[in-house]
Amino acid sequence: EAGVTQFPSHSVIEKGQTVTLRCDPISGHDNLYWYRRVMGKEIKFLLHFVKESKQDESGMPNNRFLAERTGGTYSTLKVQPAELEDSGVYFCASSPAWGETQYFGPGTRLLVL
Amino acid sequence: SQQGEEDPQALSIQEGENATMNCSYKTSINNLQWYRQNSGRGLVHLILIRSNEREKHSGRLRVTLDTSKKSSSLLITASRAADTASYFCATDNYNNNDMRFGAGTRLTVKP
Repeated sequence: EAGVTQFPSHSVIEKGQTVTLRCDPISGHDNLYWYRRVMGKEIKFLLHFVKESKQDESGMPNNRFLAERTGGTYSTLKVQPAELEDSGVYFCASSPAWGETQYFGPGTRLLVL
Repeated sequence: SQQGEEDPQALSIQEGENATMNCSYKTSINNLQWYRQNSGRGLVHLILIRSNEREKHSGRLRVTLDTSKKSSSLLITASRAADTASYFCATDNYNNNDMRFGAGTRLTVKP
């Protein structure tokens, strides 16, 4: 069974540009989560989808971040416009049901110059 | 497969008992971190151990690191029902800015 995949694996953009990260959860997993790790700090929760609905987006840092999960399958996380402090690793995870173990993707490494 | 593989995948114990979870990894690391994940919410950072450290304590938590075996263990002493959660290890490699998660150990502590 394929695991959680994320695209791209790396992205280097300039301040002010837009970047869209994609996450494909494990097939059949209704729950999808986004996390972010800024360089040298711990991982922090961004938001949680149940199917296509945002269950909890309390971790989203500001309105430059927009997450979607149309159709309840893959999800995108758009950063517009990107700022220097947005650099870090963005992880996606999925789980079959709320409260069950989440399976993490390999992450997207974002560098904003 | 993911770097940072935890075992066992699931562990069920009685309150008051100790819980030991293990993590193995494949490549060189700069540090290893353990996280707890409560019901679907997010990750809570528990402890970080650097590659030049062998053991670290934090309250009821004890983490060991054996870089020769590429493995780490997390011991929770005198477990409580509130310790019920999934526990993940994550490895950091500064050279390639690489951080990997394992699949986690699901710990259930019965009252």
